[in-house]
Amino acid sequence: GAGVSQTPSNKVTEKGKYVELRCDPISGHTALYWYRQSLGQGPEFLIYFQGTGAADDSGLPNDRFFAVRPEGSVSTLKIQRTERGDSAVYLCASSSTQGGAGTGELFFGEGSRLTVL
Amino acid sequence: KQEVTQIPAALSVPEGENLVLNCSFTDSAIYNLQWFRQDPGKGLTSLLLIQSSQREQTSGRLNASLDKSSGRSTLYIAASQPGDSATYLCAVNNPNTGKLIFGQGTTLQVKP
Repeated sequence: GAGVSQTPSNKVTEKGKYVELRCDPISGHTALYWYRQSLGQGPEFLIYFQGTGAADDSGLPNDRFFAVRPEGSVSTLKIQRTERGDSAVYLCASSSTQGGAGTGELFFGEGSRLTVL
Repeated sequence: KQEVTQIPAALSVPEGENLVLNCSFTDSAIYNLQWFRQDPGKGLTSLLLIQSSQREQTSGRLNASLDKSSGRSTLYIAASQPGDSATYLCAVNNPNTGKLIFGQGTTLQVKP
């Protein structure tokens, strides 16, 4: 597609439920990032993929959070046993990183707004 | 640990004014710095990307400068318009980490 696509745009769930958020990056972009943004704050890094592998998952807050990118394109962020504190906008970005990590411009999707009741 | 600070947190100006948004970062070893715009309830739109070897970038009424040694960047908006009202975020990309570290943003309101 023309841009980064994220689904669902909105998700309301109950505490304790399992949630999956999907990101479809710009075609050909090898790098994919997940960020989380709380109201009034800047985005906080969660995880970064280079191809199929997680190059840096240091931002995942705990083991309830997990992300995959099995074919090096679409990625899914998975949250188990959701808590009210998980409520936030989850942003996905992709980048073409020819020449190595950190050199490319990041393009963001519209985000998935998660509300845990 | 890299920290990014944006001042002011909020800014209100009358239409037509030129304005400057500030961004500072604690670790000068960066690959690049990127400025974004975010409208309420929306994702981030990339405005300007400055590589570490560059001093500034321009796009239309926007000009971003980078002083890596002092850990500062500014976003200059000329002849502001009500449509410029949004939150502006700066982010730095450190070598070998592949991730952007964001400031908390400056929320700009341009009054007609």
